[in-house]
This record gives sequence, structure tokens and C-alpha cells, in this order.
Amino acid sequence: DQQVKQNSPSLSVQEGRISILNCDYTNSMFDYFLWYKKYPAEGPTFLISISSIKDKNEDGRFTVFLNKSAKHLSLHIVPSQPGDSAVYFCAASAGAGSYQLTFGKGTKLSVIP
Amino acid sequence: GAGVSQSPRYKVAKRGQDVALRCDPISGHVSLFWYQQALGQGPEFLTYFQNEAQLDKSGLPSDRFFAERPEGSVSTLKIQRTQQEDSAVYLCASSPGLAGVNTDTQYFGPGTRLTVL
Repeated sequence: DQQVKQNSPSLSVQEGRISILNCDYTNSMFDYFLWYKKYPAEGPTFLISISSIKDKNEDGRFTVFLNKSAKHLSLHIVPSQPGDSAVYFCAASAGAGSYQLTFGKGTKLSVIP
Repeated sequence: GAGVSQSPRYKVAKRGQDVALRCDPISGHVSLFWYQQALGQGPEFLTYFQNEAQLDKSGLPSDRFFAERPEGSVSTLKIQRTQQEDSAVYLCASSPGLAGVNTDTQYFGPGTRLTVL
């Protein structure tokens, strides 16, 4: 069973508009969440993270929102740029002392110029 | 500075062959992880090293999979008697700190794409 779910395999957005990528999780022990970005033929690159004690974390054009009651998080990219076109993975870890990351299947974002 | 490097980048093996995949972590990084990413899936945890000690191998799918990091730097993932279901991208990641710091960013290499025919 998938503990981290990214239900949209792909997303297309016009340049300059907002991209919203969604992620749901089932394991209530997860308390730390990350987004990774992956270009073809490269490894995933850390983008942004959020601890469960927060509901929002912002870094430049990237903001992650966490709704613990709904077990849902989202990544907002504003404004979207063509260079943001990549596969985005949501990942989670459980509990202090945890290093194992559980990943979703990824969402492929295409930003159209 | 140099990131995590992996070799070979691509490996084709006939079913039943043994393969060895190499990972060079970022210099000085204490922690090293191996992940397996099947087509269309996210990476899945295989094993974790803290320096030369393999502290967690709970994700290794079978006893055909073996990993080592004898001097606490370079690591090798070995797969014996490869099967078609072993076809995947094998990702290595390293992080500077000790296990248990879940805020410690894991830096990933580009992966080795293994195809078993």
C-alpha cells in the first residue's frame, strides 16, 4: 500500500501562472515532509521541506502547505518558469530519529512558455 | 564541490549475472543511502550506512542484494544472480550528519539504470 500518494501523474501550466502540486499521505506517524525535484538523467534534488509543527514554509517562489488533519500537503510555485519543468516527488519521514524517506510516484510538471 | 557520483550510469546484464554498482558520496558525508526506483515509481529505501557500519538493511528485497562501505566512503551495491524484476534505477544519496536527523538533507547521485534481459 502506498503511504505517500501523488494522484496527478502530470500537470501543465502556463509560464507566469501558479503551479500547485498535491500530495496525500496515510501514515499518521509521518512528521516531516519534503519535496524533491528531478530532471531527466539526474538524481532528485532537495527543494523544500516542512515539519509537522508548521502549516506553511516558504522559500522564494516555492511554498509548501501542510494540512495535518487532512493528511495533505501541497507545493505552490509562483510564478512558474519553464526551468521548473521537471518531475516533483513528495517524500515523508516518521518520527525523530528517522532517516528513511517514503516517496510518492511523482508528478511531471510542464511549464509552457 | 563535487556531488554524489555513481558508476556505471547504465548497466545491461543478462539474467543470472552478478552486477556491482558504485557510489562515491560527497566527501566527508557520514551517512549513505541506497534507493531503488522502478519505472513510474518513486525511490524506495534499500539500506543505510553510517560511516562503514550498515545500520539498516530492511529495504533490501532479497538476499541476492548486498551492500558494503568498507572504509566509510565509497559504497558498492552488489546484486547476485540478477532477475528481470531487478531492472530499475539505483540511486545513492549521502548526507553530512548522523542517522536520526531527519532534517538533514539527502543529496542524490544521478543513479545507475540497470536493465536485466
